[in-house]
Amino acid sequence: GAGVSQTPSNKVTEKGKYVELRCDPISGHTALYWYRQSLGQGPEFLIYFQGTGAADDSGLPNDRFFAVRPEGSVSTLKIQRTERGDSAVYLCASSSSGGADGTQYFGPGTRLLVL
Amino acid sequence: DQQVKQNSPSLSVQEGRISILNCDYTNSMFDYFLWYKKYPAEGPTFLISISSIKDKNEDGRFTVFLNKSAKHLSLHIVPSQPGDSAVYFCAASATGGTSYGKLTFGQGTILTVHP
Repeated sequence: GAGVSQTPSNKVTEKGKYVELRCDPISGHTALYWYRQSLGQGPEFLIYFQGTGAADDSGLPNDRFFAVRPEGSVSTLKIQRTERGDSAVYLCASSSSGGADGTQYFGPGTRLLVL
Repeated sequence: DQQVKQNSPSLSVQEGRISILNCDYTNSMFDYFLWYKKYPAEGPTFLISISSIKDKNEDGRFTVFLNKSAKHLSLHIVPSQPGDSAVYFCAASATGGTSYGKLTFGQGTILTVHP
């Protein structure tokens, strides 16, 4: 079946602009995670959804970052007033369950470059 | 602070030999550990996992060893193949509390397998 897909694959924007990054999880997966990976680092947790609700948003760096999952499937990560430090690869993962032993399957990521 | 550490940024191995990738963690709440492999421009791909109730888990050429007292785990690949060349990430999660399975990753180790 289809894996996790993310669009766009690349996004270049100017400092101060607004961007939206989209994630389509594996069909039927109720758990969805967003991570951010900076150059030379491992992915860092941003937010977790179980169904439509954000169960844990403790990883969001500040209030410029927001994510939604209105119908419990597709999720959108929104970044307002982008800064150069937001440049990174944004990864989405889904899991059939939200438990710690639920394997997370990752999408290819969106490479965001803020000029 | 880095709760999951991969102290070797890179490892070079001859085809057919064993590759050993190491990972240390500091958070005693972690009780589930995973290894992911990542090729350029792709998302991380799940390889193998281990629960803290075990000290070894094997899947084909891949074996993960867990030493809880030392807070150390390792991934063994035998025999190594050129197609194994990738970045390997160690990740950990906690089943208790409100972790919801969010993963904490190490910085990654670049494995190069030479023909």
